Amino acid sequence: DGGITQSPKYLFRKEGQNVTLSCEQNLNHDAMYWYRQDPGQGLRLIYYSQIVNDFQKGDIAEGYSVSREKKESFPLTVTSAQKNPTAFYLCASSMSGVYNEQFFGPGTRLTVL
Amino acid sequence: AQTVTQSQPEMSVQEAETVTLSCTYDTSENNYYLFWYKQPPSRQMILVIRQEAYKQQNATENRFSVNFQKAAKSFSLKISDSQLGDTAMYFCAFRQNYGGSQGNLIFGKGTKLSVKP
Repeated sequence: DGGITQSPKYLFRKEGQNVTLSCEQNLNHDAMYWYRQDPGQGLRLIYYSQIVNDFQKGDIAEGYSVSREKKESFPLTVTSAQKNPTAFYLCASSMSGVYNEQFFGPGTRLTVL
Repeated sequence: AQTVTQSQPEMSVQEAETVTLSCTYDTSENNYYLFWYKQPPSRQMILVIRQEAYKQQNATENRFSVNFQKAAKSFSLKISDSQLGDTAMYFCAFRQNYGGSQGNLIFGKGTKLSVKP
């Protein structure tokens, strides 16, 4: 089955620690995205990548980092510099082109203890 | 900067009835795309319907249709014959059609829809 997987589903982290969220897709999509969702808020873009080995900051990139070494994978690292990391994180992918639908993964709930 | 506004934080509707969710947006661009996404309690985001700004005809997908008013910058979603499975958060989203951020979606804050039996 083609789709997007995110792991883990729930993640707990101690304050001051970095943590990496996984996102893998087997849809052969060129573009991948990371969003953050907070209660009462829509999705906000953290980082996006249109092609392997290239990525751009979104609206709320501070405290986050990404890599895109393979077309299928776009991991997100939440660093200790992110002041309010507790949130629901969604990964998405799409074919190139603005008309194309973004397909979303099931999300990761990150809680900082 | 583009913004998307959903003025109804919560709505409810009786099963089998019709409900309309509102969305307005602000942009100076002429070419763009609009989307409605559904997020059920599982939190999986699902595309419901999309509209190209250059098309005057309103998009329709089964029980879901939109009322796209370009001059008014309005993009409402109508759900006919509401079903219990329609209970979800609904997000309106805008996508511009130019520049380095091509493809980035801008989301509204969502409307929580409850369908009551």
